Amino acid sequence: DTGVSQDPRHKITKRGQNVTFRCDPISEHNRLYWYRQTLGQGPEFLTYFQNEAQLEKSRLLSDRFSAERPKGSFSTLEIQRTEQGDSAMYLCASSSAGTGEQYFGPGTRLTVT
Amino acid sequence: QKEVEQDPGPLSVPEGAIVSLNCTYSNSAFQYFMWYRQYSRKGPELLMYTYSSGNKEDGRFTAQVDKSSKYISLFIRDSQPSDSATYLCAMKFSNYQLIWGAGTKLIIKP
Repeated sequence: DTGVSQDPRHKITKRGQNVTFRCDPISEHNRLYWYRQTLGQGPEFLTYFQNEAQLEKSRLLSDRFSAERPKGSFSTLEIQRTEQGDSAMYLCASSSAGTGEQYFGPGTRLTVT
Repeated sequence: QKEVEQDPGPLSVPEGAIVSLNCTYSNSAFQYFMWYRQYSRKGPELLMYTYSSGNKEDGRFTAQVDKSSKYISLFIRDSQPSDSATYLCAMKFSNYQLIWGAGTKLIIKP
């Protein structure tokens, strides 16, 4: 399978715990994006990497959120001290530097109890 | 007012009908326009990607962009029950950031 993959697919955690999600982009894509989506809404942009450099981070993203892409391949998104409002689908997408068409993974569904 | 407006539906049509899905937008700087299909609890799947005004056809799908009216459409011909999903429009605001509609839920009745 050469698509974008995400792990885990589902995560249930208690409020206050830390969680980490992983994204493996399409191998030839140098751009990687994280989004958050809640029910009935379109995806909300969180952050963007070109290779290993994090070039943009949404102003809406609190300091509890951090993302890395250490070798310009896979990426991790960590949420510290989770809150119930963090419950959402976390989506990863990747694209090449050309037309920039973004291809999405299946998402990680987070439930904070 | 949101930058991209999309009727949430649901839109229910009989199998075989032609479906028309639409988005309006306010920012004339948008140049790239996309349609994604999203099944329940799955990630969005890119259907159509168009640049500037005009039409683009791919199988049963046609994307139409009218920049003068700030209006984009997706037409689905010979609709099938497997087309039942949420359809999201997205537009490129800058080199990378997509601005999204909220999605229209489409139901194709057998």
